[in-house]
Amino acid sequence: GAVVSQHPSRVICKSGTSVKIECRSLDFQATTMFWYRQFPKQSLMLMATSNEGSKATYEQGVEKDKFLINHASLTLSTLTVTSAHPEDSSFYICSALDRFGQGINEQFFGPGTRLTVL
Amino acid sequence: QKEVEQDPGPLSVPEGAIVSLNCTYSNSAFQYFMWYRQYSRKGPELLMYTYSSGNKEDGRFTAQVDKSSKYISLFIRDSQPSDSATYLCAMGRGSQGNLIFGKGTKLSVKP
Repeated sequence: GAVVSQHPSRVICKSGTSVKIECRSLDFQATTMFWYRQFPKQSLMLMATSNEGSKATYEQGVEKDKFLINHASLTLSTLTVTSAHPEDSSFYICSALDRFGQGINEQFFGPGTRLTVL
Repeated sequence: QKEVEQDPGPLSVPEGAIVSLNCTYSNSAFQYFMWYRQYSRKGPELLMYTYSSGNKEDGRFTAQVDKSSKYISLFIRDSQPSDSATYLCAMGRGSQGNLIFGKGTKLSVKP
């Protein structure tokens, strides 16, 4: 099956620093990728939709200047958490839609990145 | 009222039991319904999806959708310890793939 990777898998940083998370589709092209955030014992919450070559679409309540998304190629999207604070500590998961997929089942999830801000 | 409601459990069953997992939803515009399995500290893995009311079977798994009641279920037959995970329901509409997830139900299958 299709594989989506995320890097790093885990990151610990000091408050005020910026953290970049990469999401890659390894064996397929993805014109659309999604970024989710999951707090402990909570559901996945969609943060933004990332479209290759264009600006990301952010969900209501998500600060676009804090969570910078770049989808520069058909296989890579990055999420940068700028000036991270402890309340940004969470599990960040990306998913990718297969460009040539035939249906909704062609959305594949990455393994997630656990961010801890001290 | 949240768009998707799911009992977070935890749910503990003996090996071999039939497991029933459920979600309710409020938005009648949802067009497709998914079930994901998520192991601890991993990303979700798609188990089943369906577009219409009725049952869909895949091995030990059966997904059931009742659009009139806005209720979906996932049944697991002959449950195994390896089925121990968190199960998330998700729903969406349109072609972009945006999904609304339930909180997830944590399942533990005891040998």
